Amino acid sequence: DAGVIQSPRHEVTEMGQEVTLRCKPISGHDYLFWYRQTMMRGLELLIYFNNNVPIDDSGMPEDRFSAKMPNASFSTLKIQPSEPRDSAVYFCASSFAGAPYDEQYFGPGTRLTVT
Amino acid sequence: GIQVEQSPPDLILQEGANSTLRCNFSDSVNNLQWFHQNPWGQLINLFYIPSGTKQNGRLSATTVATERYSLLYISSSQTTDSGVYFCAVEQGTSGTYKYIFGTGTRLKVLA
Repeated sequence: DAGVIQSPRHEVTEMGQEVTLRCKPISGHDYLFWYRQTMMRGLELLIYFNNNVPIDDSGMPEDRFSAKMPNASFSTLKIQPSEPRDSAVYFCASSFAGAPYDEQYFGPGTRLTVT
Repeated sequence: GIQVEQSPPDLILQEGANSTLRCNFSDSVNNLQWFHQNPWGQLINLFYIPSGTKQNGRLSATTVATERYSLLYISSSQTTDSGVYFCAVEQGTSGTYKYIFGTGTRLKVLA
């Protein structure tokens, strides 16, 4: 398996633009997680899905952020409109386990820069 | 809210040395995990350990939930162990989860 795939790897956009980050989890995994990492705030869990259904989105910072998982092999994290403070590395992870956090596999991350 | 503190913040070791990283948390938690982020940014989930002890090769972890701390042991360290080690704790119930990461321990292993 190719592991968790994220695209794009780097994204530079201007403030106010819509940004869409994409994630393909490992085939057969039924949990998917979105994280954000910044120097100021460290690592944060934004949202996670189980069997394509959002289970907990309490980490999503505000209404400008939305995440979807239309099928088992694809998820998006959208920011509209983007702001400079959204600049961060966004990680996607997936897992298959009885406990949702066990043995998560992370993608390489998307480095987002909003100017 | 819950505080998650990791110590030491920075650690430099000679290859082959052993080390212990600590994670203290200020309130009861549902679970705790340890992660490693290598110098290239890749994150790896090391342990899911709400209580007890687990071992995986040269790494082991112990969580004493009643005393609100967890330890990560690295034995016979190698240069590939370099990077940042995070612990993360979860509180709450479905719909009200708080998932908090510590600030990390930055480890450098010298050849």
